[in-house]
Amino acid sequence: AQSVTQLGSHVSVSEGALVLLRCNYSSSVPPYLFWYVQYPNQGLQLLLKYTTGATLVKGINGFEAEFKKSETSFHLTKPSAHMSDAAEYFCAVSRSFQKLVFGTGTRLLVSP
Amino acid sequence: DAGVIQSPRHEVTEMGQEVTLRCKPISGHDYLFWYRQTMMRGLELLIYFNNNVPIDDSGMPEDRFSAKMPNASFSTLKIQPSEPRDSAVYFCASTSKLGTVYEQYFGPGTRLTVT
Repeated sequence: AQSVTQLGSHVSVSEGALVLLRCNYSSSVPPYLFWYVQYPNQGLQLLLKYTTGATLVKGINGFEAEFKKSETSFHLTKPSAHMSDAAEYFCAVSRSFQKLVFGTGTRLLVSP
Repeated sequence: DAGVIQSPRHEVTEMGQEVTLRCKPISGHDYLFWYRQTMMRGLELLIYFNNNVPIDDSGMPEDRFSAKMPNASFSTLKIQPSEPRDSAVYFCASTSKLGTVYEQYFGPGTRLTVT
């Protein structure tokens, strides 16, 4: 069975600081990995995804993530946080599109 | 494209009443998913359809929940009778094939409150 662990239910950063949101997965087969963002009172929006090929994946809004098989990780980073990045972020794993398994989410707080 | 459309956006009902949530997927998408989001359980897949046919309903919590997809552009999730523990945000998502990996597009959700 596949699963995702997101370390830290809340992460606080200052505007302009590095954003690092952690995600570790468990999968018996090579996984597909996703990061979604949810703004207040909205649905989830795809930030980026890893399927095959290049392990460093770039997404929207300046976010990127690196697939590290040896560490079973897919951490999300952004060099400089903006106030508009405040939202909840979900990591998800799938081997096929049918079973997208989400982590519990990390709320990113950005202070001026 | 208008994206995935859900209605109503908010629903408040009394325990025991029937509740119907509606979803219109993105045109051309042939897979539709229903999710439930709560603080305690996070995001859970309830059921998904392919070409209007239910494929996996193992996430449906109990017989009080039912879902239908009468055509490619409409789906409903019904709860009868509703209970306070059903209070949650219910999301609908549809998929478009990109290469070999399907990317799910989510609607804005329906916030259900059962009193």
